[in-house]
Amino acid sequence: QKEVEQNSGPLSVPEGAIASLNCTYSDRGSQSFFWYRQYSGKSPELIMSIYSNGDKEDGRFTAQLNKASQYVSLLIRDSQPSDSATYLCAVNRGYSTLTFGKGTMLLVSP
Amino acid sequence: NAGVTQTPKFRILKIGQSMTLQCAQDMNHNYMYWYRQDPGMGLKLIYYSVGAGITDKGEVPNGYNVSRSTTEDFPLRLELAAPSQTSVYFCASTFTGATNEQFFGPGTRLTVL
Repeated sequence: QKEVEQNSGPLSVPEGAIASLNCTYSDRGSQSFFWYRQYSGKSPELIMSIYSNGDKEDGRFTAQLNKASQYVSLLIRDSQPSDSATYLCAVNRGYSTLTFGKGTMLLVSP
Repeated sequence: NAGVTQTPKFRILKIGQSMTLQCAQDMNHNYMYWYRQDPGMGLKLIYYSVGAGITDKGEVPNGYNVSRSTTEDFPLRLELAAPSQTSVYFCASTFTGATNEQFFGPGTRLTVL
């Protein structure tokens, strides 16, 4: 049973547009949610973390969490070519570990 | 701070050989993790440790072993390498488990032929 699901993409958006990345999870007890960005050939790096229902904004990035629907999303405003990467959704599994989705590839065209 | 370091960066093994992937962190993190990432896939947890002397299996532990004798180091041992272990291996660490950011090392790209 897949625990964290993401559309693999690629999601293609033009420069300056809003990119919307989505993630669903199966464990209703999950409390911690993360979005990591991974450039090709590189290691993942944290973009956003969110723990409560609602929106959390950080610069051009907004994370949205809806625990009732078991849904977390990442919006990237004013998308830039440098945002082209794979975005991994991660959800806590108990107190010690995370479960990662397969990631969504984002392509931002100039 | 060097953060999380991994060696080697690349390695080619023959079927049946063994090797140890090294991971070290200088952030005094209690929690350390080993993941593997296959092409087009997310990260699969192999083993993790919540502190020196304590390790536990993740989703895909078969064919691997770990030890954690110090807070800083968390080596991953591959015994009897198989082509199915061809992957990119990432080590990560964090201070307080699944509620905080995990910091990743640069990865080891392993090919088993």
